[in-house]
Amino acid sequence: AQSVTQPDIHITVSEGASLELRCNYSYGATPYLFWYVQSPGQGLQLLLKYFSGDTLVQGIKGFEAEFKRSQSSFNLRKPSVHWSDAAEYFCAVGESGNEKLTFGTGTRLTIIP
Amino acid sequence: GAVVSQHPSRVICKSGTSVKIECRSLDFQATTMFWYRQFPKQSLMLMATSNEGSKATYEQGVEKDKFLINHASLTLSTLTVTSAHPEDSSFYICRAIKAGTDTQYFGPGTRLTVL
Repeated sequence: AQSVTQPDIHITVSEGASLELRCNYSYGATPYLFWYVQSPGQGLQLLLKYFSGDTLVQGIKGFEAEFKRSQSSFNLRKPSVHWSDAAEYFCAVGESGNEKLTFGTGTRLTIIP
Repeated sequence: GAVVSQHPSRVICKSGTSVKIECRSLDFQATTMFWYRQFPKQSLMLMATSNEGSKATYEQGVEKDKFLINHASLTLSTLTVTSAHPEDSSFYICRAIKAGTDTQYFGPGTRLTVL
């Protein structure tokens, strides 16, 4: 069965600092991997996704993620965070492009001045 | 851009009553919609897959008679929590797949509180 682990429940970062959110997955085949952001009162928004090809994926809002098969990881990064990045971030793995998704428990990001 | 709405956004009901939650794709057709529930500080758990014009497919452990799903049109799926109990209190989120594409959108969620 597929699973996703986000080891960091809560991360606090200073505005302008770099960010890395960790995600590890367990899946038998080549996974479809996603990162979503959830702001209060809003739906989950897709930041980026990886299906195949280049292992460094660029997303919206300046985010990127790198797929590392050897480490079963798909960490999310941003070189310089903005106060508006404060939100909950979810990593997810799918059986295929848009079918069932298994989500991690999320990482809450707090930005301090 | 495409938007998925959920109604109501918040609902409080008494134990034993039924509550209907709507998920609507506002400017696209969605042949498939997924329903999730999210507990505080926890992940989204898939409850069922809803396909327009056919019966929903429920995940293991989800009671189909308690969580009734109807996907009667290409823009609307409903989740009815029947005979609600306090343990059904949760955040329910839908996800819609735009027909003919691999594009997906989440609804903003519905907070259900059962007293």
